Amino acid sequence: GENVEQHPSTLSVQEGDSAVIKCTYSDSASNYFPWYKQELGKGPQLIIDIRSNVGEKKDQRIAVTLNKTAKHFSLHITETQPEDSAVYFCAASITGGYQKVTFGTGTKLQVIP
Amino acid sequence: EAGVAQSPRYKIIEKRQSVAFWCNPISGHATLYWYQQILGQGPKLLIQFQNNGVVDDSQLPKDRFSAERLKGVDSTLKIQPAKLEDSAVYLCASSLGGLAGWNQADTQYFGPGTRLTVL
Repeated sequence: GENVEQHPSTLSVQEGDSAVIKCTYSDSASNYFPWYKQELGKGPQLIIDIRSNVGEKKDQRIAVTLNKTAKHFSLHITETQPEDSAVYFCAASITGGYQKVTFGTGTKLQVIP
Repeated sequence: EAGVAQSPRYKIIEKRQSVAFWCNPISGHATLYWYQQILGQGPKLLIQFQNNGVVDDSQLPKDRFSAERLKGVDSTLKIQPAKLEDSAVYLCASSLGGLAGWNQADTQYFGPGTRLTVL
């Protein structure tokens, strides 16, 4: 089955700096890569996603890049703000049929004011 | 649009007791998921329903865990008897499922979870 590794497990940045979280996946058939943000006491919420036919996607201060050959994908947050502090999960899945999502282990991001 | 509802939010039980969690998915979502999230880890899929049928329960410890979605809407997850290692947050999620269309990304929407502590 699919295996998703995520690094780092914790990340502290100064407000206004950039944060980068990296993930690798094992199953070359995976073609959909969502990123979730989980705040304390809440369930994960989708913040951005990317499909394997796209190398990069941006949404305001958040961007995701995908290297399909190397099976790497990354989340980039620019101009970080205190409200970005949360746990971020990457995930990988195969679209179509009964889609099963495999999550990474999570990165706890702390933005220091 | 109402989100995924779960209850209770917190539960503390003694080991060997039983416990049940309830989930009400987003209206119209065909697929419902139960995940177990142990502290410091990512969510792990326990069971996935498509309408009222099970499509994946490969990681469900069937000797103690059971789940049902009788009318294809609400779902209940039960643990009997509970063990110390069952302490975790149990997340319910729902998605359009097959209604999303073939080869479409099927976004999952999560509820707030139930935090279970087994003493």
